[in-house]
Amino acid sequence: SQTIHQWPATLVQPVGSPLSLECTVEGTSNPNLYWYRQAAGRGLQLLFYSVGIGQISSEVPQNLSASRPQDRQFILSSKKLLLSDSGFYLCAWSVGKETQYFGPGTRLLVL
Amino acid sequence: AQKITQTQPGMFVQEKEAVTLDCTYDTSDPSYGLFWYKQPSSGEMIFLIYQGSYDQQNATEGRYSLNFQKARKSANLVISASQLGDSAMYFCAMREGWYNNNDMRFGAGTRLTVKP
Repeated sequence: SQTIHQWPATLVQPVGSPLSLECTVEGTSNPNLYWYRQAAGRGLQLLFYSVGIGQISSEVPQNLSASRPQDRQFILSSKKLLLSDSGFYLCAWSVGKETQYFGPGTRLLVL
Repeated sequence: AQKITQTQPGMFVQEKEAVTLDCTYDTSDPSYGLFWYKQPSSGEMIFLIYQGSYDQQNATEGRYSLNFQKARKSANLVISASQLGDSAMYFCAMREGWYNNNDMRFGAGTRLTVKP
């Protein structure tokens, strides 16, 4: 069966520091991968999606970037965090256009 | 314009009763999919149920059913026999089109509280 992992689970970072969040998927090949952000008490905002290695599409221009160095690995990065980057970051996978399945999420607090 | 609208920020239901969570959507694409997710306090988004725009029958998954009214563009989630563990945020989402991979849009969510 497929599983999706995210780490770290919780992160507290100072403003201006770099960020690296990792997402890995097991049990499937060539999945579509997604990064979402959820502000407190709000819905999900799609940040990036990837249909294959090295293929990244950005939905929202910002100081975040994403990379997919391996088929089942998706990384969310920033060179300098802003206060507004605080939130709950969720990674998801799907096979083509089928249902998206989410990881456990990373809570990021930028101080 | 909002693609997905959930008009109920919060809902209360008595344990063992049924509850309906509202969702309306906006699309001009004839091919789309509708999803409901549950988000408990732990944060993980749990997939509940899916309805395709061409599906003739309403989707059901255990205690969850989707009241799909295509002409009204509504896709309400019905939870029967509510349990305390059903207390969570519930999100409606829509995926438009057939070839795009990036078009899952989420509503703002409804917080459901089940009372004992």
